[in-house]
Amino acid sequence: KAGVTQTPRYLIKTRGQQVTLSCSPISGHRSVSWYQQTPGQGLQFLFEYFSETQRNKGNFPGRFSGRQFSNSRSEMNVSTLELGDSALYLCASSEGTGGARTEAFFGQGTRLTVV
Amino acid sequence: AQKVTQAQTEISVVEKEDVTLDCVYETRDTTYYLFWYKQPPSGELVFLIRRNSFDEQNEISGRYSWNFQKSTSSFNFTITASQVVDSAVYFCALRSVNAGNMLTFGGGTRLMVKP
Repeated sequence: KAGVTQTPRYLIKTRGQQVTLSCSPISGHRSVSWYQQTPGQGLQFLFEYFSETQRNKGNFPGRFSGRQFSNSRSEMNVSTLELGDSALYLCASSEGTGGARTEAFFGQGTRLTVV
Repeated sequence: AQKVTQAQTEISVVEKEDVTLDCVYETRDTTYYLFWYKQPPSGELVFLIRRNSFDEQNEISGRYSWNFQKSTSSFNFTITASQVVDSAVYFCALRSVNAGNMLTFGGGTRLMVKP
């Protein structure tokens, strides 16, 4: 079974631009969650999508948004990029129906640098 | 609110030494799950173990062992006879049944095992 695939692996963007990151979950998994990892704030939950619906949302500004397609692939978008958005963005895939006990499998992340 | 604290930001040991990574958590929920993840330099979070709040039995898997003590809200991780390949950042995480699929992570402990 293929793992969680995130593209691209690296991105460099300029302040004010927008960016779209992609995540393909493990086949059969219907839940995709996104996390931001920075040296200062650590790993923080952005949002979760399940069956094309946002099921949970972290404490991030509206510039951060996401969506999920019918094949469970997910994209997250960050508009009007700020220097502080530089981070490793990790996607987690899970079956989505097992509740809190469900294991989450992570991709290798997309490293975004905003200059 | 949920919180996970990993007081040790960095630990350095020599190969074959035993090392314990501490994790203390806070939650008001009575049903929750605790996880440990390993993050190698490649970036992805690798699942190591899951423990639910009703199961305080310690677990051993090869050189890895986990000690869950509900009375002290701790879920510590011990690596016996450490190896250079164990060098990574280790994260403890909490998910309660009332938080959907969201994982709350500790700040991580960077483990360096020197030959």
